[in-house]
Order: sequence, then C-alpha cells, then structure tokens
Amino acid sequence: GAVVSQHPSWVICKSGTSVKIECRSLDFQATTMFWYRQFPKQSLMLMATSNEGSKATYEQGVEKDKFLINHASLTLSTLTVTSAHPEDSSFYICSGRSTSGQETQYFGPGTRLLVL
Amino acid sequence: GENVEQHPSTLSVQEGDSAVIKCTYSDSASNYFPWYKQELGKRPQLIIDIRSNVGEKKDQRIAVTLNKTAKHFSLHITETQPEDSAVYFCAASNTGNQFYFGTGTSLTVIP
Repeated sequence: GAVVSQHPSWVICKSGTSVKIECRSLDFQATTMFWYRQFPKQSLMLMATSNEGSKATYEQGVEKDKFLINHASLTLSTLTVTSAHPEDSSFYICSGRSTSGQETQYFGPGTRLLVL
Repeated sequence: GENVEQHPSTLSVQEGDSAVIKCTYSDSASNYFPWYKQELGKRPQLIIDIRSNVGEKKDQRIAVTLNKTAKHFSLHITETQPEDSAVYFCAASNTGNQFYFGTGTSLTVIP
C-alpha cells in the first residue's frame, strides 16, 4: 500500500516554456503533499507543502510564482514550473502524507526535468 | 526553521561490519525522525522512524537512537550486506507538517 506516482518521469523542454508535473496517491488519500527538489548527489530540499483545497506553503527562497502548486483533490497535486530556465533543471520528487494522521510520508518516483 | 546536519557524508565498511550515521537537529519542536534509503535514480524509501517519546527503536539489523536533550539521533546498521549500499537520509519533522532532510550519507558495503 501507500503508492505515489508521478508523471512524467522524464521531461525535456525549451527555455521559456512551462512544465506541469503530476503527483498522485494511488491507494490512499493524501491530506498533505510535499514537493522536493534534488540536485545530483545532494539532499532533498523541501520546496513547498500543500494541503488539499488550500494554498501551498512555500519554503524561504522558493518563488511561488515560478513554481505553481495546486492540490485540488486528496489524490492529486501538481507542480508547474513556469517559464523554465536551464537552472531549473533538477530532479523533482513529491510525497504524500495520509489522512490517517500518521506522520509517514510516501515518495513518488521523481521527475527529471532538463531545460535546454 | 529547522536545520539538520548529517555525518559522515561518505562511509565505507566491510561486509558484516556495522555502520553508524549521525544527525543533529536544531528545532526542539521536532518530534518525528525518519530515516530514508535512496538507491541511485530511485525514490527514497522509509527504513525506520522514531518519535520523540521513544529513545530507541530496532527493526532486525537496523536501529535508531534518539537523544532529545542533545538533539541528535543515529542510525545503526549491523551485519552490513552489499545491498545496504545506498544513500541514507535522516529527516526531522514537527508532527509531519514539514520535513527537513540531512545532507545524506553515501554508504558503500565492500564484499
């Protein structure tokens, strides 16, 4: 149980375009979803926390207008990287925390974004 | 906000030996401390966690200890096997609302 999927797994785009990444909890309802960014051989950096039906809470230094997060349902959150630039190239991972009240978060497989 | 530090950044052990990874945190409100294992190109997988009302937890070859006073917690892997080779991350959380990760430890188990 507790499976999280992400789509797409790989995306290559031109500079200036926008990219949407979907994060779905497949067998549980995720009250809270988290979005992380991970550079090669580095740790997971929390970008934002989103609760279903409310605005996301962004970490310091993360531009909310650049990384648009929508958590429209208990099973779906999306991250849109707007006007992507090469420095946005990274591995983006989402995770979901169940409505059951437990703290455990379950990670998606990640989306590798390459901006040319 | 919370600041989590993790040491060492790389660790090599002989198969069968033990491995210990240490983390410190800064926010005394943090009360949940999970450990994740991440293999190359894959998602982090929860391997063990501990809550602040417990000092130690063990699951087969893996154990975690927590010292709330000193704000540090450690992962212990005994009888290491080659398949234990991966990057390990500690994290600290306040009731699961936000998670802050350590910088990771790349563990290599030498056969």
